Amino acid sequence: EDQVTQSPEALRLQEGESSSLNCSYTVSGLRGLFWYRQDPGKGPEFLFTLYSAGEEKEKERLKATLTKKESFLHITAPKPEDSATYLCAVQISGGSNYKLTFGKGTLLTVNP
Amino acid sequence: GAGVSQSPSNKVTEKGKDVELRCDPISGHTALYWYRQRLGQGLEFLIYFQGNSAPDKSGLPSDRFSAERTGESVSTLTIQRTQQEDSAVYLCASSPRAVLPRLSSSYNEQFFGPGTRLTVL
Repeated sequence: EDQVTQSPEALRLQEGESSSLNCSYTVSGLRGLFWYRQDPGKGPEFLFTLYSAGEEKEKERLKATLTKKESFLHITAPKPEDSATYLCAVQISGGSNYKLTFGKGTLLTVNP
Repeated sequence: GAGVSQSPSNKVTEKGKDVELRCDPISGHTALYWYRQRLGQGLEFLIYFQGNSAPDKSGLPSDRFSAERTGESVSTLTIQRTQQEDSAVYLCASSPRAVLPRLSSSYNEQFFGPGTRLTVL
């Protein structure tokens, strides 16, 4: 069964304190790995898609990386507005390759 | 342009009642998805529509759940005889097409609506 596990469940950082969120996955074949940001009371907002091991993508203070077993979302010098739940999801190769299988998310709190 | 919209934003109902949730996808998006997000859980896939193809209903948790979509427009998710375990946020997403070659990564991106929070008393 395809599984996505995110760690930690919650993370508190001081403003400017860099850190990383982890997403490990076990799938039959990876088509793509997605990162989303979700603010309270809102739907997930797309951040990145990664397709191949070794691929990296950046957006402002965020950088996502991918290996054959996991992905990291690196947050450099975070600000309070980066506080949100970060969701990781995978799309698998094969017949139902449109589905996203999500992890439970990491709740990030950045204190000023 | 307008994003995915959902209505109502909140719905409180009594156990045993039927509810209908609505999703308006982004104009021109042929693929539409429903997900459920229960407290402390990851988003769960419910159903997928792609153009005029038969929908993938494999994620629907029971026969009390059904969904319809007319063409490439509005979709409704209906839950009959609601139970307390149906309480969750129901999210709708749309994308331009279900799957395209990796060169066009934006076409695989699913754009989510704000969700409908359903509470069954």
